[in-house]
Amino acid sequence: EPEVTQTPSHQVTQMGQEVILRCVPISNHLYFYWYRQILGQKVEFLVSFYNNEISEKSEIFDDQFSVERPDGSNFTLKIRSTKLEDSAMYFCARDSSDTLNTEAFFGQGTRLTVV
Amino acid sequence: AQSVTQPDIHITVSEGASLELRCNYSYGATPYLFWYVQSPGQGLQLLLKYFSGDTLVQGIKGFEAEFKRSQSSFNLRKPSVHWSDAAEYFCAVGNQAGTALIFGKGTTLSVSS
Repeated sequence: EPEVTQTPSHQVTQMGQEVILRCVPISNHLYFYWYRQILGQKVEFLVSFYNNEISEKSEIFDDQFSVERPDGSNFTLKIRSTKLEDSAMYFCARDSSDTLNTEAFFGQGTRLTVV
Repeated sequence: AQSVTQPDIHITVSEGASLELRCNYSYGATPYLFWYVQSPGQGLQLLLKYFSGDTLVQGIKGFEAEFKRSQSSFNLRKPSVHWSDAAEYFCAVGNQAGTALIFGKGTTLSVSS
């Protein structure tokens, strides 16, 4: 299965600034996901996205977060006003091309550091 | 509550020795189970998955896992560990497409020579 590509690989931002994390999955997939992993902790689900709409979101995914797929190819996660506790590795994932299960294929991640 | 428990935070195995990483889950619906591996600075790579059928599933890199419904477990095994297997291993449970994968806290595997 082709991999998901995430950009940037590392981003440093000041507290209160907006950040946009980008993901380029293959266009014929149905579901896309964002997960995050705070250093030393487990991977946590943020949101799933289907047919240009949010399918499911976790409690973490509050009003500071938004997702969109602006051009049918890129899939973005925006954090409007970053907080120190947003520092984490953010993973984009897509579904499998041949099943409709929650099998997810992850990108390499974007390490976000909020200072 | 839905959860995944990986009881072992860190395991050290000698190269060539066998490996078993434990995973227990609590899930309200039919569980789909996964093992992912993460090398330092890398993303999550899917090792294997269980959806239904044969409870012993084979994955990449010589790994296998066995689903035991009565024990709510999905332990990962490898008969002979290689130094390149040193990484962090995550067990996860999910269900239908679009729903969240719930991950365990991970087990760090070190391989000694």
